[in-house]
Amino acid sequence: DIQMTQSPASLSASLGETVTIECLASEDIYSNLAWYQQKPGKSPQLLIYYANSLNDGVPSRFSGSGSGTQYSLKINSLQSEDVSIYFCQQNYDSPYTFGAGTKLELK
Amino acid sequence: QVQLQQSGAELVKPGSSVKISCKASGYTFTSYDMHWIKQQPGNGLEWIGWIYPGNGNTKYNQKFNGKATLTADKSSSTAYMQLSGLTSEDSAVYFCARRLTGLDYWGQGVMVTVSS
Repeated sequence: DIQMTQSPASLSASLGETVTIECLASEDIYSNLAWYQQKPGKSPQLLIYYANSLNDGVPSRFSGSGSGTQYSLKINSLQSEDVSIYFCQQNYDSPYTFGAGTKLELK
Repeated sequence: QVQLQQSGAELVKPGSSVKISCKASGYTFTSYDMHWIKQQPGNGLEWIGWIYPGNGNTKYNQKFNGKATLTADKSSSTAYMQLSGLTSEDSAVYFCARRLTGLDYWGQGVMVTVSS
């Protein structure tokens, strides 16, 4: 199975700040990576697919980058509504494993 | 609009089985994979498998072989997941999610509690 190592596990940032979350795959996943946002008690929502494509309706302050085994999610100008848990998922090879998640809080 | 409506919470006894549903609307049910994901309280997400309702093809995470069985009813646009031989480790929220490029629409989740 492909292991997805996500960091950091938690992150505290101020409004307006830029934050970056990273995901490292145990092998090349050829940009088959998605990022999700999950708010407490809610279902996850797709933010980014194919490593850098923004899903419909997602604010442009979210962006994804990376290739090979290393990927990142950047949130520019942090807003209060961005407080959530963020997960990466590889969909290159079954089982389509998720990262352990990053809990983003406001400082 | 695309919606995935899942069935209600379940309280089940150890050793029993449960079948949860995911009714799709707002799109052509037979044209997209339906994935199932497990989330234990305070934990991350675990991918269970997918079914392609168009032909019934399935793919499972080996960890869930013998535990989860995915089916789909084209006539009602409903996907199902049956979980068998339930133990406390199966207590979790279970989501269905449609896959296009990523998992772009999710159900609201079903909480399954295994307790005697």
